[in-house]
Amino acid sequence: QVQLQESGPGLVKPSQTLSLTCTVSGGSISSGYYYWSWIRQHPGKGLEWIGYTYYSGSTYYNPSLKSRVTISVDTSKNQFSLKLSSVTAADTAVYYCAREIPPGVPAVIYGMDVWGQGTTVTVSS
Amino acid sequence: EIVLTQSPGTLCLSPGERATLSCRASQSVSSSYLAWYQQKPGQAPRLLIYGASSRATGIPDRFSGSGSGTDFTLTISRLEPEDFAVYYCQQYGNSPFFGQGTKLEIK
Repeated sequence: QVQLQESGPGLVKPSQTLSLTCTVSGGSISSGYYYWSWIRQHPGKGLEWIGYTYYSGSTYYNPSLKSRVTISVDTSKNQFSLKLSSVTAADTAVYYCAREIPPGVPAVIYGMDVWGQGTTVTVSS
Repeated sequence: EIVLTQSPGTLCLSPGERATLSCRASQSVSSSYLAWYQQKPGQAPRLLIYGASSRATGIPDRFSGSGSGTDFTLTISRLEPEDFAVYYCQQYGNSPFFGQGTKLEIK
């Protein structure tokens, strides 16, 4: 059973870069056709998709965040990471990593079927 | 970018009642790449429905999804106490944006 776990600093100063890592256990990040995704949720608000990476390193980002986001994958560590630059208080949120099974691939289920528990990041001086 | 609009924003019902949640897309969703998620306070979202109408693993059959094109519905046939939560629709795939959510509250 694949499990995801986010890790990283819970407090980031304004203008700095937020860095989070998602560790995949119970399966290989290189197997299958998965999109390894980051999603965030501002306090009391809905879900905002940030972007995803494929195991090959190709990426796709939310256009509204694209200029500040970098998502990368480290297959040797079975991890993928999020970097968000020039953060402000508006980036304070719970950050989730998730596995998405995209349409068109051979699978028995589609969508974001596995999620990490989420990690709270506060941007404050 | 497809915009998903969910209604109502809040739905107040009693256990045992039927819940109908709506998700409308700004343009047609390809081949019903539409999913529904449930989120309880302090928890990560959980996949309920994919392909507009297929239940994910372990999801009770009181949850059902329907619709195509731009109009989709999540129906909970008989509400259990554990069903009161926030529900999100999502068009998964290359740009997996979410709707803004519907909060299902106990009346």
